Amino acid sequence: AQTVTQSQPEMSVQEAETVTLSCTYDTSENNYYLFWYKQPPSRQMILVIRQEAYKQQNATENRFSVNFQKAAKSFSLKISDSQLGDTAMYFCALRNYGQNFVFGPGTRLSVLP
Amino acid sequence: EAGVAQSPRYKIIEKRQSVAFWCNPISGHATLYWYQQILGQGPKLLIQFQNNGVVDDSQLPKDRFSAERLKGVDSTLKIQPAKLEDSAVYLCASSSIVGLNTEAFFGQGTRLTVV
Repeated sequence: AQTVTQSQPEMSVQEAETVTLSCTYDTSENNYYLFWYKQPPSRQMILVIRQEAYKQQNATENRFSVNFQKAAKSFSLKISDSQLGDTAMYFCALRNYGQNFVFGPGTRLSVLP
Repeated sequence: EAGVAQSPRYKIIEKRQSVAFWCNPISGHATLYWYQQILGQGPKLLIQFQNNGVVDDSQLPKDRFSAERLKGVDSTLKIQPAKLEDSAVYLCASSSIVGLNTEAFFGQGTRLTVV
């Protein structure tokens, strides 16, 4: 069975600072993808960034980057230059070959002015 | 491109009543998911369709939940009879079938309150 763990239920960061959200996962598959989704109060989940398990290079999307450690099964999200609009729930997700997305419990991030 | 449409946005029912939720995925997306998100938790898969066939319904409480995707397009999720513990947000998502890296696109969800 695939599982995703996010050990930080809540975090806060000052505007313009950097914050890192943690995620660990477990899977017996070799071929999988990892995703970070953002869920603002409007409830609509939005993709932030994705990482292929076969790629050693960490994915980057503007202010968002990941630190993917395959052996440790760790997939953390770094948000640089935090903005008030980054305030949301963040979910780490694992997609296995069966195309199902397995989500972690989420981290509530508050960006403070 | 239109996104994933869900209705209604909110629903309040009494326990033992029935309720139905509707989802229209992004045009051309073969895969459709229904997730249950209990307050403070991550989404949990209820059922996954590929076109009009069920791929995974292992976590669907089949004694009270049912879902269908007629003609492989829009989908309906039904609860009958509802229990208090069914209070949650029900999220519908869709994705194309191209590969593992394709993201799931989510609707805004239906918040169900069972009283």
